[in-house]
Amino acid sequence: SQQGEEDPQALSIQEGENATMNCSYKTSINNLQWYRQNSGRGLVHLILIRSNEREKHSGRLRVTLDTSKKSSSLLITASRAADTASYFCARGAGWIYNQGGKLIFGQGTELSVKP
Amino acid sequence: EAQVTQNPRYLITVTGKKLTVTCSQNMNHEYMSWYRQDPGLGLRQIYYSMNVEVTDKGDVPEGYKVSRKEKRNFPLILESPSPNQTSLYFCASSYSRSNQPQHFGDGTRLSIL
Repeated sequence: SQQGEEDPQALSIQEGENATMNCSYKTSINNLQWYRQNSGRGLVHLILIRSNEREKHSGRLRVTLDTSKKSSSLLITASRAADTASYFCARGAGWIYNQGGKLIFGQGTELSVKP
Repeated sequence: EAQVTQNPRYLITVTGKKLTVTCSQNMNHEYMSWYRQDPGLGLRQIYYSMNVEVTDKGDVPEGYKVSRKEKRNFPLILESPSPNQTSLYFCASSYSRSNQPQHFGDGTRLSIL
């Protein structure tokens, strides 16, 4: 499968704790993106990390990328109940695979943050 | 407000009755695409369009048609819907290529009986 694998599939934590989600992929990437999906809504782009970057921050989000291991992780620090959602990684394929047409999504991690 | 608008949000219909799901974006984006989301299968791309009059198949194009006559609109057409097309559908757009951040619509939940 070209899809990434996300781990864990589901994660339940208490408010204030950190949440870590992992994403692995099989082929080369141009970039890797993380999205959030609240129940019944569309996906919202969170952060994009390019293949030549190792770490990126945005507010309480920290994304790392290890191209040698073909993996990425999303860390949400000091989680809140409002962070409850599904989180997806998406691999932006390089030009050789992509004539402009493909962003390959993982299966997602369901995060539940209990107040 | 920058947005991708899909209509309808919900539709229950019967096998074989042609339907169209509309998608419109107000960000002057060149790239638009359609995905379907199914439990256990994640998001799979149906069709995409790199610009007006330029469309191509994604991973699961069978049973669907698209058109891109104007930059802002990218309708998804099911000529003869079947129950296996019951799914949650998303339209997305970005400035140019797909490997840039995508703006998603809120989804259309289709049930084909």
